[in-house]
Amino acid sequence: DTAVSQTPKYLVTQMGNDKSIKCEQNLGHDTMYWYKQDSKKFLKIMFSYNNKELIINETVPNRFSPKSPDKAHLNLHINSLELGDSAVYFCASSQHRGGYSYEQYFGPGTRLTVT
Amino acid sequence: AQKVTQAQTEISVVEKEDVTLDCVYETRDTTYYLFWYKQPPSGELVFLIRRNSFDEQNEISGRYSWNFQKSTSSFNFTITASQVVDSAVYFCALSEAYLGEINAGGTSYGKLTFGQGTILTVHP
Repeated sequence: DTAVSQTPKYLVTQMGNDKSIKCEQNLGHDTMYWYKQDSKKFLKIMFSYNNKELIINETVPNRFSPKSPDKAHLNLHINSLELGDSAVYFCASSQHRGGYSYEQYFGPGTRLTVT
Repeated sequence: AQKVTQAQTEISVVEKEDVTLDCVYETRDTTYYLFWYKQPPSGELVFLIRRNSFDEQNEISGRYSWNFQKSTSSFNFTITASQVVDSAVYFCALSEAYLGEINAGGTSYGKLTFGQGTILTVHP
């Protein structure tokens, strides 16, 4: 069973389109994240949800909107795609216990290419 | 602000050589976690180790070992007798671990700050 899954794995689309990436975890974790990995492999957090509540919202364009329908799912919707949005997007999850956060487990990534 | 520096951009070794990947971090938090992740050519991110800021014991897991030194803010990773399958990008990361940091003004609870990554190539 895949612990953290993302769909789709590859996404090729044109500038100006709107697209969504879905993420699901079956680890029973209470916190989920979206990270962006650019062409130089640099990883940077975008958003984090804890029990469906947004707790981290880095400086990300308003065109990016996360949604967490429940603890096991975190989706990322991107409006008006731009060339600079091309990257690999990783979903991750972790468990917070007793006020501490623990290691994050990552999904396989979604490679987004905007043409 | 938190910062992680992996000064080695690329390392190339021959199989069976030992190799150490350096990681230096900066944080004002008193409670934090340090991590290493591996990203093989297939692209996924694989969790290797988590170390609590209160625990400076070194750790060994098979051919992997980690040296955490708070005095120098370093968390280095050594692969002994490297193998071709160790070829990957290795990331060191830091996270603010404790919710109490939020009460002290922190806002990055659970957020992983990654280093730039070190590309390790092991040649047969």
